[in-house]
Amino acid sequence: EVQLVESGGGLVQPGRSLRLSCEASGFTFDAYAMHWVRQVPGKGLEWVSGISWNSGSVGYADSVKDRFTISRDNAKNSLYLQMNSLRIEDMAFYYCAKDIVHGYGGRIGYFDLWGRGTLVTVSS
Amino acid sequence: SYELTQPPSVSVSPGQTARITCSGDALPKHSAYWYQQKPGQAPVVLIYKVTERPSGIPERFSGSSSGTTVTLTISGVQAEDEADYYCQSGDINGNYVFGPGTKVTVL
Repeated sequence: EVQLVESGGGLVQPGRSLRLSCEASGFTFDAYAMHWVRQVPGKGLEWVSGISWNSGSVGYADSVKDRFTISRDNAKNSLYLQMNSLRIEDMAFYYCAKDIVHGYGGRIGYFDLWGRGTLVTVSS
Repeated sequence: SYELTQPPSVSVSPGQTARITCSGDALPKHSAYWYQQKPGQAPVVLIYKVTERPSGIPERFSGSSSGTTVTLTISGVQAEDEADYYCQSGDINGNYVFGPGTKVTVL
């Protein structure tokens, strides 16, 4: 089955860290760029970060730059998001999303496969 | 930071036409995409490369472009089209960006 399954969300205090994971199945994971997109319940979509097929190129939204790190392990068909110095405004559902292009930083692609999301709650 | 602009809401009667605009200075450079999101569900792409429709998407959904504005048109709106709609593109650095979303209400 073609799917993305996120994990690692939960309750964390402001200033602490959390690592999200996304396991892919049913498609050639190492052929595509991958992304993290977040959504505060009841609010809009916010692109967070993207990574090329071979990890050679990455990008971040200004709101998370220097705090979050995206990575992938193609041997494990997995995508990760290391989130440090978490803030209350980082609280959201985090979705893993598959791009239709393999690179990052050139042609803008779109997301044709999404996970169900994992909820990150930041609270003291 | 780069932003895309969408109207917050559009209301339309069944059978009528809804038009949702998305504006951004970089839109002529990068392709634009449209997603539909219903409550509790992940977004689904409706339009890619401004005007193209993936297989399985009804013909009543169409896209167009003029200058720095792209438009999603829903012709013959149905009750099931009530949802949030987002445009997506990229900034000059190649980072991805979503519009703020438009809530379509079918009267």
